[in-house]
Amino acid sequence: KQEVTQIPAALSVPEGENLVLNCSFTDSAIYNLQWFRQDPGKGLTSLLLIQSSQREQTSGRLNASLDKSSGRSTLYIAASQPGDSATYLCAVILNRDDKIIFGKGTRLHILP
Amino acid sequence: EAQVTQNPRYLITVTGKKLTVTCSQNMNHEYMSWYRQDPGLGLRQIYYSMNVEVTDKGDVPEGYKVSRKEKRNFPLILESPSPNQTSLYFCASSSNLQTTHGYTFGSGTRLTVV
Repeated sequence: KQEVTQIPAALSVPEGENLVLNCSFTDSAIYNLQWFRQDPGKGLTSLLLIQSSQREQTSGRLNASLDKSSGRSTLYIAASQPGDSATYLCAVILNRDDKIIFGKGTRLHILP
Repeated sequence: EAQVTQNPRYLITVTGKKLTVTCSQNMNHEYMSWYRQDPGLGLRQIYYSMNVEVTDKGDVPEGYKVSRKEKRNFPLILESPSPNQTSLYFCASSSNLQTTHGYTFGSGTRLTVV
């Protein structure tokens, strides 16, 4: 059974620092992987989607990488800002049954 | 604007009183899904639909019903709500999971059953 794990569950860093959020999955038979941002009590906003044939995707200060063989993805945030404070979730879409499995998220707090 | 719209945003109801949470998308997406989100448990899929008149159970379908009579709408029905269904609910859609588009989420419905 596919499991998606995000470590750490929570992270606080000073403003301006670069940081990396981690996502690991147990079954490498995925079609793609998607990173989301969620503000408290709000819906999920898609940040980046990486197809299984891709290694990385970039959008502004965000860069997501995918290593399917090792079951890992990272979300790199450059020059963090207080507005980046949110929960970040990763999700994988499985090849065999189109199911999407979410991690429980990393709650990020950027200290001003 | 391309979006997934859920209504209502907040709902307080009493045990046993049937309710419906609506979900509508304007992107002509084939795939729609309902999730509940609870502290410590993350997002769990309730039901999903690959297309009109096609629905399937997710991981936690008990106590819920759905229908997909038309492509744009995917309502979630609680026939007899119970307090353990108090949660934050999300509807999501995708043109097709195996594409470059991924998932679009609604803003959520916070349901409290007393």
